[in-house]
Amino acid sequence: GQQLNQSPQSMFIQEGEDVSMNCTSSSIFNTWLWYKQDPGEGPVLLIALYKAGELTSNGRLTAQFGITRKDSFLNISASIPSDVGIYFCAGQPAGGTSYGKLTFGQGTILTVHP
Amino acid sequence: ETGVTQTPRHLVMGMTNKKSLKCEQHLGHNAMYWYKQSAKKPLELMFVYNFKEQTENNSVPSRFSPECPNSSHLFLHLHTLQPEDSALYLCASRGTGDQPQHFGDGTRLSIL
Repeated sequence: GQQLNQSPQSMFIQEGEDVSMNCTSSSIFNTWLWYKQDPGEGPVLLIALYKAGELTSNGRLTAQFGITRKDSFLNISASIPSDVGIYFCAGQPAGGTSYGKLTFGQGTILTVHP
Repeated sequence: ETGVTQTPRHLVMGMTNKKSLKCEQHLGHNAMYWYKQSAKKPLELMFVYNFKEQTENNSVPSRFSPECPNSSHLFLHLHTLQPEDSALYLCASRGTGDQPQHFGDGTRLSIL
């Protein structure tokens, strides 16, 4: 089946530093999604990417849909303590009978030291 | 507030109990999903419902029984679970086309 490799698995950074994480897939996706999960809560959608090469920002977050459609990255600039959490990438195949099934990466645990 | 509400938030049950998890979405979506999230594992898709019809059962043991009476409500009935079933159970919903899934806050299930 499809697999997503997300890296790094964890990051320990100082407040103010920039962060970068990425996901690679063994197969093509039509949509890439990035979610953040805080302790005790469900994943919250950060950015959705729908076209190969697309670069999208949401505040201090920037994500790109790789040209090959097999990878995506997420950057966080000028990190702050509330950026702490687990970040997940997810790939969604084309519509039709896939019913929007997602394949998730293993997650990147981000810790920000004040 | 994501528009997807799960109850209860926490549940502790014995292996012989029967309980149900509930999910309700207020987003007008037509597809709903159950996921299992265990420590140090990617989210595992369990069931998919599209317009109240089950379209995916990802080899889930029969001790988990889903029910979708309408497009806004999704249940997961639990019966004679095992300790390894302890996990966070997440519900999600999505609209049509390539719209992304939106998640509830989950039910933290502990099996004694």
